[in-house]
Amino acid sequence: SQQGEEDPQALSIQEGENATMNCSYKTSINNLQWYRQNSGRGLVHLILIRSNEREKHSGRLRVTLDTSKKSSSLLITASRAADTASYFCATDAGGSSYKLIFGSGTRLLVRP
Amino acid sequence: DTEVTQTPKHLVMGMTNKKSLKCEQHMGHRAMYWYKQKAKKPPELMFVYSYEKLSINESVPSRFSPECPNSSLLNLHLHALQPEDSALYLCASSWSPAGLAGEQETQYFGPGTRLLVL
Repeated sequence: SQQGEEDPQALSIQEGENATMNCSYKTSINNLQWYRQNSGRGLVHLILIRSNEREKHSGRLRVTLDTSKKSSSLLITASRAADTASYFCATDAGGSSYKLIFGSGTRLLVRP
Repeated sequence: DTEVTQTPKHLVMGMTNKKSLKCEQHMGHRAMYWYKQKAKKPPELMFVYSYEKLSINESVPSRFSPECPNSSLLNLHLHALQPEDSALYLCASSWSPAGLAGEQETQYFGPGTRLLVL
């Protein structure tokens, strides 16, 4: 069963605008990761945030984590057409877990 | 080399065929994974290999048979598949199956094999 749910399911924005995607999860976690997938290809790791961290930045990406609300958000600033992809959050199930469980994903379209 | 490779890129097979998917990584990772992904859905974990031993089988039907011949190579043998098995099959690897604190580590994905079962 899915650990995370993401919203929105789909997002369409103009190039240069910011895109925000949200992820909610159900159980306690050790960390939360965000991945990008271009058009049915492999997933690319974007950023990992640990349960004791609240915010993390990587280039144009900003991730926040609120463990009390069991939620995370991914902000992409100054979006580009090349950011068009599906974005997935992924969590472990807490404890010692070999499993990475993916959220339902957000499909982002950045219009030139 | 930070790449996970998968072959073939595309595969079409009949329900009576036997075929294999191949995955390779040369990053020294000790954990390797198979995922199945249907269109517009997230990847679903199938198998996890840890130090060349099968550690997780997510109740996958026996028509899918994984094999890990060595630490760099992961195969998925397919036999008597059904049309509903058509999907993108993704391989991934990570340094270890879980960090020292038990946390899940970053996974590196291959480009996938798009499988069509007729």
